[in-house]
Amino acid sequence: ETGVTQTPRHLVMGMTNKKSLKCEQHLGHNAMYWYKQSAKKPLELMFVYSLEERVENNSVPSRFSPECPNSSHLFLHLHTLQPEDSALYLCASSQDLAGGAGELFFGEGSRLTVL
Amino acid sequence: AQSVSQHNHHVILSEAASLELGCNYSYGGTVNLFWYVQYPGQHLQLLLKYFSGDPLVKGIKGFEAEFIKSKFSFNLRKPSVQWSDTAEYFCAVVGTGTYKYIFGTGTRLKVLA
Repeated sequence: ETGVTQTPRHLVMGMTNKKSLKCEQHLGHNAMYWYKQSAKKPLELMFVYSLEERVENNSVPSRFSPECPNSSHLFLHLHTLQPEDSALYLCASSQDLAGGAGELFFGEGSRLTVL
Repeated sequence: AQSVSQHNHHVILSEAASLELGCNYSYGGTVNLFWYVQYPGQHLQLLLKYFSGDPLVKGIKGFEAEFIKSKFSFNLRKPSVQWSDTAEYFCAVVGTGTYKYIFGTGTRLKVLA
């Protein structure tokens, strides 16, 4: 059983909808990440938070808006998405960023389909 | 440019066959190296990692990988695969002291019973 839980597991939305993805980690980690996994492409780092402070925005379009209210929770707010945004969105956590990321612990992902 | 290449996208083996999955990276600096595995319907999880020391590292379920610095490679091996090894395998590197993982595109392994 993973220590990182993501909801919903599947999401279908229209281009004008607003939805959110939620991630919760039960590992006591200080760093949390959003990755995008598309078919036949490497995992793309989207955002990194360390102790609730965003430390990385990897040139992600503003239609993706992250939120980290505390070190255990991470959200990805979605609005006016495009069909090419359809992908598996993975949340991950690591102990912290000091000295490097170390091992990443992943959730099972949220499969997003944009119609 | 920083990148990770996994040359085998799909591999099909029979049980008891030996496995070697290639991973080469391009990175200007010292790195930590990882192999992650994603079993069907499950989350990505760590298989093994190399930070320093003995370049031959052993992971879970009988897997091992060898870091060859001169070749910028970190190939994954297992002497005898099992049906339960069917999964997707991802090689990844991260610059020492940084948090920006660079992942390969993954290799889908199917083991036939």
